[in-house]
Amino acid sequence: QKEVEQDPGPLSVPEGAIVSLNCTYSNSAFQYFMWYRQYSRKGPELLMYTYSSGNKEDGRFTAQVDKSSKYISLFIRDSQPSDSATYLCAMSALTGGGNKLTFGTGTQLKVEL
Amino acid sequence: DAGVTQSPTHLIKTRGQQVTLRCSPKSGHDTVSWYQQALGQGPQFIFQYYEEEERQRGNFPDRFSGHQFPNYSSELNVNALLLGDSALYLCASSPGTSPLHFGNGTRLTVT
Repeated sequence: QKEVEQDPGPLSVPEGAIVSLNCTYSNSAFQYFMWYRQYSRKGPELLMYTYSSGNKEDGRFTAQVDKSSKYISLFIRDSQPSDSATYLCAMSALTGGGNKLTFGTGTQLKVEL
Repeated sequence: DAGVTQSPTHLIKTRGQQVTLRCSPKSGHDTVSWYQQALGQGPQFIFQYYEEEERQRGNFPDRFSGHQFPNYSSELNVNALLLGDSALYLCASSPGTSPLHFGNGTRLTVT
C-alpha cells in the first residue's frame, strides 16, 4: 500500500464548476500538507501549504486537512480552462531535519468550455 | 528574480552511460532536493542537500549521487544508466524546511 493515495482521474468538469480533489494517507507522522499544480512539461507549482488540521483559503482555492481521518482535500471554485493541469498532493513529516515530500500520483483535471 | 533553474532541459543517453544534471536554486534558498518523476506518477524523493552535505536520502541505489556547492547550486549524477532511469528529474529548493519550489526539470531518456 502506498503512503499517499490519490485518484489519477482524468476528471473533466465544465467551466464554472466546483472541483474537489482528494488524497488519503497512512503515515500518522505527516504534519505538513501541500497541493501542487503541474502543467504539461513544467515543474510542480506550489498552490497551498497547510500545517496540521483545518482549512485554508486563498482566492478560488480552499485546502482542508482532517488528520483524524488521514484525508486532505483541495476545492477549486469557479473553475477555469486555465485550471486544466495535474494536481499533486504532497506531505511531509520534517524528520531528520529535512522536509522530504511524499507525493500522490496526481489527478489530471480538465476544465471544458 | 529567477526561480529554480535546471540544465539541460532534455537529454538522451545510452544504457550504461553516466549523466550529470545541474540545478541553481532560487535566490536565498540554501536547501536543494532532487526528485524523479516517471510518466504518470508523482515525484519520488532522491535526496536532499544542505550545507554541502546529504541530509536525507530516499530509496534510490548508490548509482544516484549528488553534490552541493558553496553557492548552493547542485548536481545529480547517475551512473550505469538503465532504461528504467528514463524520467523527468526535478530539482527543488527552499530556505531551510519551508515549502519546496521546483524547477521545470530535465527530461532524461535512456535508450
